[in-house]
Amino acid sequence: QVQLVESGGGVVQPGRSLRLSCAASGLTFSDSYMHWVRQPPGKGLEWVAFISKDGQSIGYADSAVGRFIISRDNSKNRLYLQINSLTVGDTAVYYCGTDGEAGSLDYWGQGTLVTVSS
Amino acid sequence: SYVLTQPPSVSVAPGQTARITCGGPSIGTIAVNWYQQKPGQAPVLVIYSDGDRPSGIPERFSGSNSGNTASLAISGVEAGDEADYYCQVSGGSGALRFFGGGTKLTVL
Repeated sequence: QVQLVESGGGVVQPGRSLRLSCAASGLTFSDSYMHWVRQPPGKGLEWVAFISKDGQSIGYADSAVGRFIISRDNSKNRLYLQINSLTVGDTAVYYCGTDGEAGSLDYWGQGTLVTVSS
Repeated sequence: SYVLTQPPSVSVAPGQTARITCGGPSIGTIAVNWYQQKPGQAPVLVIYSDGDRPSGIPERFSGSNSGNTASLAISGVEAGDEADYYCQVSGGSGALRFFGGGTKLTVL
């Protein structure tokens, strides 16, 4: 079955950078479009970024433009999210997900918590 | 940007039908997806493309979409259906996604 496992979260100081990783298994990763979604504590879901199967098409939420970089390594079945100049507002659980029918996210990982605090 | 508007909360008695709305300009012209999220868990896709159910989702879950409002209906509500529900659409020629603010379903 499809399994997505995020890692790389933790406590980080404002202004620093962080790279999150999502390890995929149980699917043909190189054929899968992928997403990152985040959820601040006690709040709703916020879509962050999208990447096509070959990495040639990328999309970002307005809040992510300029500081977030989505990438992938199909040889390693891994998805990444680089977040630069972290702010307290970036504190959230970050989920990776696969793109499904009608633009849905049909499989999700369990998430990794990023806490930005001095 | 595309703003999706959901009621913050909906309450329903067990066995009744819960309806959760998702409003947006001309939302009836785009596919709407719905997710269920229970506390401490990742979201789960329950409806895609307005009204289709992924494998394993009970027939009690259904969706509709027309005009400026999409809806998720849960018939025969059970205690286990208590969760947050989110609608979602695509935009930007398929490269963008937008979520509604979420609706907390309470089973009385």
